[in-house]
Amino acid sequence: AQSVAQPEDQVNVAEGNPLTVKCTYSVSGNPYLFWYVQYPNRGLQFLLKYITGDNLVKGSYGFEAEFNKSQTSFHLKKPSALVSDSALYFCAVRDIRNNDMRFGAGTRLTVKP
Amino acid sequence: GAGVSQTPSNKVTEKGKYVELRCDPISGHTALYWYRQSLGQGPEFLIYFQGTGAADDSGLPNDRFFAVRPEGSVSTLKIQRTERGDSAVYLCASSSSVVVGTGELFFGEGSRLTVL
Repeated sequence: AQSVAQPEDQVNVAEGNPLTVKCTYSVSGNPYLFWYVQYPNRGLQFLLKYITGDNLVKGSYGFEAEFNKSQTSFHLKKPSALVSDSALYFCAVRDIRNNDMRFGAGTRLTVKP
Repeated sequence: GAGVSQTPSNKVTEKGKYVELRCDPISGHTALYWYRQSLGQGPEFLIYFQGTGAADDSGLPNDRFFAVRPEGSVSTLKIQRTERGDSAVYLCASSSSVVVGTGELFFGEGSRLTVL
């Protein structure tokens, strides 16, 4: 089955600085890749996805992610972090041959003023 | 409703009791997923339905866990003989896409289960 690794439990950045949250994946075939965000005591919210086409995808709240097939990575990025971006971020992957989605363990992003 | 609805939002039960958790997906969504999330962890896949049938139930931890979706809409996750280790937030999500696999999941707020 497909799997996702998020190598950093926590990422700390200063407000206004760029941020990166890392994700690598493993699938047998071609992947569909997703990022979700979870605020305290809330459900997961979709941020962006890569299905096909341009390797750089843009999503909600100014986030973007770059698909790199050779490195099997899908890192989440934002040019200028906001304190309100502080939350748990989850990377997820689907193998295109089936429809179930597997999530990483999550990365806690803290943006300090 | 507009979103995925899960009931109850909180459930406290005693070890050994039977529990049912309900999920009402977004209208028209054919795919429905159950996940379990422990504190500080990512969602752990349990089962996925396409229509009325379970397309993949490989994540159910043991035979105490069972889920149904008899009419292809509402789903119920059933846990028999609950154990303290079953305590977690149970998340339901639904998805719809013309091309299988491309649609994002829409999550409910979850059902927090506490087994005493």
